[in-house]
Amino acid sequence: AQSVTQPDIHITVSEGASLELRCNYSYGATPYLFWYVQSPGQGLQLLLKYFSGDTLVQGIKGFEAEFKRSQSSFNLRKPSVHWSDAAEYFCAVDPSGTYKYIFGTGTRLKVLA
Amino acid sequence: DAGVIQSPRHEVTEMGQEVTLRCKPISGHDYLFWYRQTMMRGLELLIYFNNNVPIDDSGMPEDRFSAKMPNASFSTLKIQPSEPRDSAVYFCASSLARGKANEKLFFGSGTQLSVL
Repeated sequence: AQSVTQPDIHITVSEGASLELRCNYSYGATPYLFWYVQSPGQGLQLLLKYFSGDTLVQGIKGFEAEFKRSQSSFNLRKPSVHWSDAAEYFCAVDPSGTYKYIFGTGTRLKVLA
Repeated sequence: DAGVIQSPRHEVTEMGQEVTLRCKPISGHDYLFWYRQTMMRGLELLIYFNNNVPIDDSGMPEDRFSAKMPNASFSTLKIQPSEPRDSAVYFCASSLARGKANEKLFFGSGTQLSVL
């Protein structure tokens, strides 16, 4: 079955430190891949997406993600975390371009001052 | 643009009561999605519409759930009768089909439903 795995439920980093959030998907072909962020009490906001082409994609708020086909991964990175980045991050897959997104269970990021 | 607007923000009801959640998508968007978010199951797609027509409702948990989109600017998700296990945050999202490269979901702030 198609699935998205975010192995880290919680991550804590210090402000200014680098960040990497992991995402693995299970799907035969290359799906459409997304990262969304959810601040407390809010809906999800798109950070970035991958459809094709360059495997390193840039998003908003200084985030980037790299698609690695051999590892079925789409990890999210940021070189220097800000306190305002504290939120929950969701990886999502659109396996067949039908808008039937499959979301991971999310990674909650805590940022220490 | 005001974004996707959901109402109410919070709903507390008793088991067996009817609950209606409302959503106003972004003007001009032609896709509308209803999601449910729980700690146990994460974000689940319940149903989505394209041009007001339900395309896939395979995520609707059971017959107690129904969704309608009578026009391009309004959708409802109804639970009748409600049960405690329906307690969750329900999100509405909309999107404009402009090709996959431009695909993006815009989410509302959600309705926190508590069924006692």
